[in-house]
Amino acid sequence: DQQVKQNSPSLSVQEGRISILNCDYTNSMFDYFLWYKKYPAEGPTFLISISSIKDKNEDGRFTVFLNKSAKHLSLHIVPSQPGDSAVYFCAASEWGAQKLVFGQGTRLTINP
Amino acid sequence: KAGVTQTPRYLIKTRGQQVTLSCSPISGHRSVSWYQQTPGQGLQFLFEYFSETQRNKGNFPGRFSGRQFSNSRSEMNVSTLELGDSALYLCASSVDGAYNSPLHFGNGTRLTVT
Repeated sequence: DQQVKQNSPSLSVQEGRISILNCDYTNSMFDYFLWYKKYPAEGPTFLISISSIKDKNEDGRFTVFLNKSAKHLSLHIVPSQPGDSAVYFCAASEWGAQKLVFGQGTRLTINP
Repeated sequence: KAGVTQTPRYLIKTRGQQVTLSCSPISGHRSVSWYQQTPGQGLQFLFEYFSETQRNKGNFPGRFSGRQFSNSRSEMNVSTLELGDSALYLCASSVDGAYNSPLHFGNGTRLTVT
């Protein structure tokens, strides 16, 4: 049972445009959501997070949106840069448990 | 500040052997977690330690075990290796182990079982 789903295995975006990565979850107990970026041969790097009491969190070029009723979150990257090309994972945790459940990842390619 | 350090980076073992992986968390971080990444299953939680105590365990067989030392460093052990244990094993640390503290990952140990 996959509790966190990233339905797009890959996404290609032109440099300078907006990249939108999507994630759906099924567990209503999830209370905290995160996005990680991963380059080949490296571990995931924390990007941005959001608590379930918020619907938006912004950090520079990265914004995460949370729609609890739809059990959906998205990551917006504006403007997209070549260095953003990587695999992006969304992850979630339940209140009180530091145990992340990850999606399968979306490979983002930024084209010049 | 140095990041999470995992050793070794690569390991090749034979089926039936056992292996120990090591992780040094970021200085000051007291919680250490382990994850397994495979192409088929993605990133899956193994276990989490805080102050030398295992607080959470994922759905893995008893062949997978770990421990944390008083300096927060952690080791993970896999006994009686199977071909399916071939994976990237990632260690992550956080300051206080709270559910809403972001995890900071090391670069992993790539284990190949032949």
